[in-house]
Amino acid sequence: ILNVEQSPQSLHVQEGDSTNFTCSFPSSNFYALHWYRWETAKSPEALFVMTLNGDEKKKGRISATLNTKEGYSYLYIKGSQPEDSATYLCASAGSSNTGKLIFGQGTTLQVKP
Amino acid sequence: DAGITQSPRHKVTETGTPVTLRCHQTENHRYMYWYRQDPGHGLRLIHYSYGVKDTDKGEVSDGYSVSRSKTEDFLLTLESATSSQTSVYFCAISTRQGSMNTEAFFGQGTRLTVV
Repeated sequence: ILNVEQSPQSLHVQEGDSTNFTCSFPSSNFYALHWYRWETAKSPEALFVMTLNGDEKKKGRISATLNTKEGYSYLYIKGSQPEDSATYLCASAGSSNTGKLIFGQGTTLQVKP
Repeated sequence: DAGITQSPRHKVTETGTPVTLRCHQTENHRYMYWYRQDPGHGLRLIHYSYGVKDTDKGEVSDGYSVSRSKTEDFLLTLESATSSQTSVYFCAISTRQGSMNTEAFFGQGTRLTVV
């Protein structure tokens, strides 16, 4: 994998459904994996920064896992609510010295009441 | 707020004219980034900086240049604007805490229209 790729591109779920998205990133030269939430007409805000293989992070109903050996991360939302509707971005940092941060194209989640 | 200010917030310019966007931070953060947002592409990295006068190209750097003469300011210049550079531009900053690089904090964005 040469780029950061996210799937699916978009997702429509009903309120109360649980959902998950995938982020694939280059496993070589890995330094950190970031997840961001981006609401319409706002700026992206960080959810998680993950660095260790097997890392799991949680914030409320949102959690994420990381597999650096195979180059993927999952973001889970349990019991989706309409306010979870947003675009979720992941970003790969390949170097701690330069801080270069490459984003995937995002997964847009729409939660219907 | 992470202390990031982008200016201008909106700009309409003509094809062929030079344009400079400014990102100003009050956090003394080491890393600064310029991204563009286009439908279907998420955020694409244009240029980034890892210190004063230390900059490098991102994924879509053609037609753009940057300068960072002091920690707080990161300037993005379109030497001769083209319609393909119509976009929303986001500045971001991050830093080091111990051995870790922190998450990125974003400015409010600059909507640039090239006519």
